[in-house]
Amino acid sequence: KAGVTQTPRYLIKTRGQQVTLSCSPISGHRSVSWYQQTPGQGLQFLFEYFSETQRNKGNFPGRFSGRQFSNSRSEMNVSTLELGDSALYLCASSYGTVQETQYFGPGTRLLVL
Amino acid sequence: GESVGLHLPTLSVQEGDSAVIKCTYSDSASNYFPWYKQELGKGPQLIIDIRSNMDKRQGQRVTVLLNKTVKHLSLQIAATQPGDSAVYFCAENWARGGGADGLTFGKGTHLIIQP
Repeated sequence: KAGVTQTPRYLIKTRGQQVTLSCSPISGHRSVSWYQQTPGQGLQFLFEYFSETQRNKGNFPGRFSGRQFSNSRSEMNVSTLELGDSALYLCASSYGTVQETQYFGPGTRLLVL
Repeated sequence: GESVGLHLPTLSVQEGDSAVIKCTYSDSASNYFPWYKQELGKGPQLIIDIRSNMDKRQGQRVTVLLNKTVKHLSLQIAATQPGDSAVYFCAENWARGGGADGLTFGKGTHLIIQP
């Protein structure tokens, strides 16, 4: 079956703009998590959605938000972009919880200029 | 808070030899420890995981050991192949409530397989 897909794969924005990233989980998976990956901080948990509800959130400012639709597809939004938001944003899906196998997508590479 | 440390940022081994990647964690409440492999340009891929009710788990060419006394994890890859070259991450999670907390990842070890 198809894996986790993320769009777009690459994105260039300027400071102050906002961006929306999309994630389509594996069919049947209801949990979608988002992570930010940078060389300095590594992989950091942003938030997790299950059945359209945010169940948990990592330690990121309110500029980072997300949502999940009834078909389990998820989007994350970053408003008022800062240079430090440049990162690889990864989406992962699983059937129910993070303690089940999480399948990661290839990520969206965001560059903020 | 919980954090996951890693002993070496880079590990180089000869093809065919075993590689051992070590990791420590700080939160004694953690009960789930997955290991991920990330190749260049790809997302992390789960290779093996272990829960706190186990000390050892084996997969195909991989073995993970968990020492809860010293909060230590290790991943052994046997008979390494060129395709094993990647960055390996340990991670931890502890289930509370709905078990919905995100994974806490270590910084990663870049494994290089020398021909």
